Amino acid sequence: GIQVEQSPPDLILQEGANSTLRCNFSDSVNNLQWFHQNPWGQLINLFYIPSGTKQNGRLSATTVATERYSLLYISSSQTTDSGVYFCAVVRGISNFGNEKLTFGTGTRLTIIP
Amino acid sequence: DTEVTQTPKHLVMGMTNKKSLKCEQHMGHRAMYWYKQKAKKPPELMFVYSYEKLSINESVPSRFSPECPNSSLLNLHLHALQPEDSALYLCASSQVVTLLSLDTQYFGPGTRLTVL
Repeated sequence: GIQVEQSPPDLILQEGANSTLRCNFSDSVNNLQWFHQNPWGQLINLFYIPSGTKQNGRLSATTVATERYSLLYISSSQTTDSGVYFCAVVRGISNFGNEKLTFGTGTRLTIIP
Repeated sequence: DTEVTQTPKHLVMGMTNKKSLKCEQHMGHRAMYWYKQKAKKPPELMFVYSYEKLSINESVPSRFSPECPNSSLLNLHLHALQPEDSALYLCASSQVVTLLSLDTQYFGPGTRLTVL
């Protein structure tokens, strides 16, 4: 199956710093999303970004599908940004039953006040 | 209302018990999902229901039995679980019903299950 690796696995930053999180995938994908899981386990969709660039406030994401990677940028980090960031990809050739959704290995981000 | 609720928040059960996890959404979404997340690991998709019908079963053991009684409710029935089944069980819903087109999922807070 497809391999989805994220780097770095852990990142500790001072409040106000910027960061770049990377998601590499081993095969072509139909769909890519970024999620944030807070320290209490709640998962939140950040971006749906199978290709191109999107921005939402301090967060932005870029996916270069032809080179099989996606980047998540966090600017001016806040303590509430702490948690684990996952990318997730979907690969498939038809509807219902042939699709496979795979989460990446995750990046644990800790923002220190 | 963009909330997905899950009950109970915590569950401790023995290997011979039968229990159920419940998930509810009132956003009119027609796809609902169960995920399993072991500690310090990414979520793993277990089941997908589309229009109240099971559309994806990721080869999950039969001791996990999903049920979708109506478009707002998703249950996960548990029977004869093993200690290695201890995990956070997450429910999600989405407007889009196919994974290939999936853009936004709304997740519940999860049920932390401990099997003794």
